[in-house]
Amino acid sequence: QVTLKESGPGILQPSQTLSLTCTFSGFSLSTYGMGVGWIRQPSGKGLEWLANIWWDDDKYYNPSLKNRLTISKDTSNNQAFLKITNVDTADTATYYCALSYYGYNYFDYWGQGVMVTVSS
Amino acid sequence: DIQMTQSPASLSASLGETVTIECRASEDIYSNLAWYQQKPGNSPQLLIYDANSLADGVPSRFSGSGSGTQYSLKINSLQSEDVASYFCQQYNNYPPLTFGSGTKLEIK
Repeated sequence: QVTLKESGPGILQPSQTLSLTCTFSGFSLSTYGMGVGWIRQPSGKGLEWLANIWWDDDKYYNPSLKNRLTISKDTSNNQAFLKITNVDTADTATYYCALSYYGYNYFDYWGQGVMVTVSS
Repeated sequence: DIQMTQSPASLSASLGETVTIECRASEDIYSNLAWYQQKPGNSPQLLIYDANSLADGVPSRFSGSGSGTQYSLKINSLQSEDVASYFCQQYNNYPPLTFGSGTKLEIK
């Protein structure tokens, strides 16, 4: 059974760095073809894809945010991470991690999401 | 970037009705399209992939169709549990993966 769960700081101030963790089970990010993506959703709004990381450590970023994003993984602990630097109020959103398979860049399983508020 | 234009933004229909949601891509995406359902307070769930393939456990009243730049999601015999927002997503050309703006479905 595949599960994913996001965790984060809840609230942070403008200009800080947001660090998010995705802890998953039911698959391994060292297995061929496996990938984890990060997607965010401001309250009441649409979905924005942020980044993907693959089993072979290949990484893809949304060009609109690329300079601020870093995705990484810890395969031994079944975790994926996303850092967003220099946050501002526009980064306030629910952040999801989700499972994807190589060559099929849609998301089969999603975490419950973690709310992040950027406020001074 | 491929832009996904989704319509309508909101939709109200009666129980038992058939509803259709449309998604138009800014260029040919060769059926590399997924649909998600997001019930209030929940995370999105995969409904359809490859434009017309039903994800595991999804009721057969949901169906997807289309090709090229035009795609649609149809829900037959609308049920109360179908109240949700629906999003399309293209995965033909990335980065970036892009989503439609969503359709909020309510029961009349």
